[in-house]
Amino acid sequence: QSVLTQPPSASETPGQRVTISCSGSSSNIGSYTVKWYQQLPGTAPKLLIYNSNQRPSGVPDRFSGSKSGTSASLAISGLQSEDEADYYCAAWDDSLNGYVFGTGTEVTVV
Amino acid sequence: EVQLVESGGGLVQPGGSLRLSCAASGFTLNSYVMSWVRQAPGKGLEWVANIKQDGSEKYYVDSVKGRFTISRDNAKNTLYLQMNSLRAEDTAVYYCARDLGGSYCYWGQGILVTVSS
Repeated sequence: QSVLTQPPSASETPGQRVTISCSGSSSNIGSYTVKWYQQLPGTAPKLLIYNSNQRPSGVPDRFSGSKSGTSASLAISGLQSEDEADYYCAAWDDSLNGYVFGTGTEVTVV
Repeated sequence: EVQLVESGGGLVQPGGSLRLSCAASGFTLNSYVMSWVRQAPGKGLEWVANIKQDGSEKYYVDSVKGRFTISRDNAKNTLYLQMNSLRAEDTAVYYCARDLGGSYCYWGQGILVTVSS
């Protein structure tokens, strides 16, 4: 069982904005920066956000991250069909002395 | 171009062993922390282990402690995961990943490990 909790699914129409939450605790999100990964079906995950709100080169600015206390969120604006994927948050956890991923959220563009 | 290529996966019986390898190219392995991440069929991502640049520190998820060993050969630009006493619940696609400040910017294509009789 993951210590980072995400909603199992989210959906929105093309062009709209969807937000995914990630709830943790003081030993992970409360103490460390958050990363977000996108996983398209049948492929390896791809880093979308690091340091809670920074985008690697090549990631569109439609993707944005934020963190407050022990929670974080990923927002996708101007939703496109190619954004249909699973999204995972992640952070280091002091109590577990290991890296933890969120439970994952499946985004559907309806 | 950075590349990570896993090998060594396959079908193994419960209680058996496998050694995964991850061949790195396009960068110098000894400059980076490296990790293994796995994904059981239809399930989410699970971090398995990581190892510091010189191999001096290693960390594991509780479920594999005492059974899995992460190691590296920087001269060969290769990362390893020795998996012993394998269980059905270890069945997963295993990815190696390059770690930069806790961010996995580069991933291998993944290798399937199936533990079944």
